[in-house]
Amino acid sequence: QKEVEQDPGPLSVPEGAIVSLNCTYSNSAFQYFMWYRQYSRKGPELLMYTYSSGNKEDGRFTAQVDKSSKYISLFIRDSQPSDSATYLCAMSPGAGSYQLTFGKGTKLSVIP
Amino acid sequence: GAVVSQHPSWVICKSGTSVKIECRSLDFQATTMFWYRQFPKQSLMLMATSNEGSKATYEQGVEKDKFLINHASLTLSTLTVTSAHPEDSSFYICSATNQETQYFGPGTRLLVL
Repeated sequence: QKEVEQDPGPLSVPEGAIVSLNCTYSNSAFQYFMWYRQYSRKGPELLMYTYSSGNKEDGRFTAQVDKSSKYISLFIRDSQPSDSATYLCAMSPGAGSYQLTFGKGTKLSVIP
Repeated sequence: GAVVSQHPSWVICKSGTSVKIECRSLDFQATTMFWYRQFPKQSLMLMATSNEGSKATYEQGVEKDKFLINHASLTLSTLTVTSAHPEDSSFYICSATNQETQYFGPGTRLLVL
């Protein structure tokens, strides 16, 4: 079993839809969780990070962490064509200089 | 968010030559930087961890004599691909950490002919 599992998709949704992206993990040492967005041929862009169970909201994005189930989610409300990208979950035992363990990434297409 | 730059953004070189890629944290000091490689349609693969003023730590299977890493200051790390071969062609991405999380550079696309 891989440490971090993420459905690679591809996932296609119509513009305006709510998108749900998910990752599961097996290592209970992971305490810090991040979501990155990567456009084709670009470096990953940090969207959100959190270290506590529960929800964290930033604009149209909501990150959700359930440590008891080892399950994290990213919700995108009112999705836009510009949200079309690959979304990577990442996690680490702590903040700062720890190595990140990535999911494989989910490729999202938002259709106008 | 914090800004990390990479230079060059793309490079084409002949087989057998060496290529240097720079990674800079522009608005914060980074004691730790990471170097990744990404093949098409795959996730990032960590190559090495670079700490300012000390030797880099390489992941298993990454040749330290081929991928030379220097982290001479708190804002600059370099990756040199020595004697590059076509199989080294890839997308190389660095990241720099502040106290909270990692910020990635835009990546460098290397094509070895």
